[in-house]
Amino acid sequence: AQSVAQPEDQVNVAEGNPLTVKCTYSVSGNPYLFWYVQYPNRGLQFLLKYITGDNLVKGSYGFEAEFNKSQTSFHLKKPSALVSDSALYFCAVRAPRGGFKTIFGAGTRLFVKA
Amino acid sequence: DTEVTQTPKHLVMGMTNKKSLKCEQHMGHRAMYWYKQKAKKPPELMFVYSYEKLSINESVPSRFSPECPNSSLLNLHLHALQPEDSALYLCASSQEVTGNEKLFFGSGTQLSVL
Repeated sequence: AQSVAQPEDQVNVAEGNPLTVKCTYSVSGNPYLFWYVQYPNRGLQFLLKYITGDNLVKGSYGFEAEFNKSQTSFHLKKPSALVSDSALYFCAVRAPRGGFKTIFGAGTRLFVKA
Repeated sequence: DTEVTQTPKHLVMGMTNKKSLKCEQHMGHRAMYWYKQKAKKPPELMFVYSYEKLSINESVPSRFSPECPNSSLLNLHLHALQPEDSALYLCASSQEVTGNEKLFFGSGTQLSVL
């Protein structure tokens, strides 16, 4: 069975500092990995995805994520956090053997303090 | 047009009521989804439609009845719901069910069952 783990319920960072939101996954075969962001009372918005190729993926709003196959991780990063980045972040996996169902992690709430 | 539109935004219903949630997209996507999201939790998959046919039902109780009248519309009919069914109901779409396509989410319907 495929699964996604986000070990931190909450991440706090000061504005201007780099941020990392962690994600590890467990799937059979080669996964497709995604990050989504959710603002209050809104649906999820796509940030970026890893399919194949370069392990560093760049996405929307200055976010990037690094795929590490040996550690089965896909951590979300941003060099300089903004207060407006404060939101709920979900890592997700989609795999052929899972019927291509998108499975979401539990979510990590990011607080960026001014 | 890269939007998924959901109506209504809010819905309050009694346990004996019948109501429907509506979702619409005009991106030519052939896969549409219903997710249920409780507060501070990840979205949970309920149903998947592929080319207007139901392809996945995640063992959802029969008081939830999905319908896909055409490739742009997705409905969720509600009948005899329970208070524990109160949640944010999210509609999503993607180009196809298979593959690495990202999901486009609507803003959701916040449902309260009294």
